[in-house]
Amino acid sequence: QLQLQESGPGLVKPSETLSVTCTVSGGSMISTTYYWGWLRQPPGKGLEWIGSIYYSGNTYYNPSLKSRVTISVDTSKKKLSLKLTSVTAADTALYYCARLMPISGMAFDPWGQGTLVTVSS
Amino acid sequence: QSALTQPPSVSGSPGQSVTISCTGTSSDVGSYNRVSWYQQPPGTAPKLMIYEVSNRPSGVPDRFSGSKSGNTASLTISGLQAEDEADYYCSLYSSSSTPFVLFGGGTKLTVL
Repeated sequence: QLQLQESGPGLVKPSETLSVTCTVSGGSMISTTYYWGWLRQPPGKGLEWIGSIYYSGNTYYNPSLKSRVTISVDTSKKKLSLKLTSVTAADTALYYCARLMPISGMAFDPWGQGTLVTVSS
Repeated sequence: QSALTQPPSVSGSPGQSVTISCTGTSSDVGSYNRVSWYQQPPGTAPKLMIYEVSNRPSGVPDRFSGSKSGNTASLTISGLQAEDEADYYCSLYSSSSTPFVLFGGGTKLTVL
């Protein structure tokens, strides 16, 4: 059964770069039928899509974050990465990675448990 | 793109049915069938409950059903159980020239 596990720094200073990694286990990342995505949830608030990466390497980002986001995948290490530059307090959130499957209408399934990143000096 | 609109809260007694709406526009919900629903109990990660408007993943009880009419998608939970108490989010995958994902603001379901 596919499992995803996020890991991150916990605390990032304003104006610095946030880097979060997602490790995939129990399945392969190398498949034309899988895409991968990053989402976030500020404390007490709703879900926000950050971006997705397709098997082709094409990436698609939320326009509101596009200028600051980079998503990449290392299939040999089974890791998905997220970098968000010039962070502010508004970027404080629980960051989730998830798989998308075209066969399921591009729904996110499964999700990792999330990693909390706080932006503060 | 604007977020999809959900009621902030709904409630029901055990055994009853509740429906959560998710309203968009003719450019998003009205145009695409890639609507999904997620359940998020407190302190846990979201779980997929419905995909492509009305399909249930394996393991999701048939008490959960989805539908769509015009610009509004709906999630209905019948035979409410205490364990259904959670936040529920709708989502839309827009396969336009530049794919985009929208979420609703979430609905808190309280089982009385």
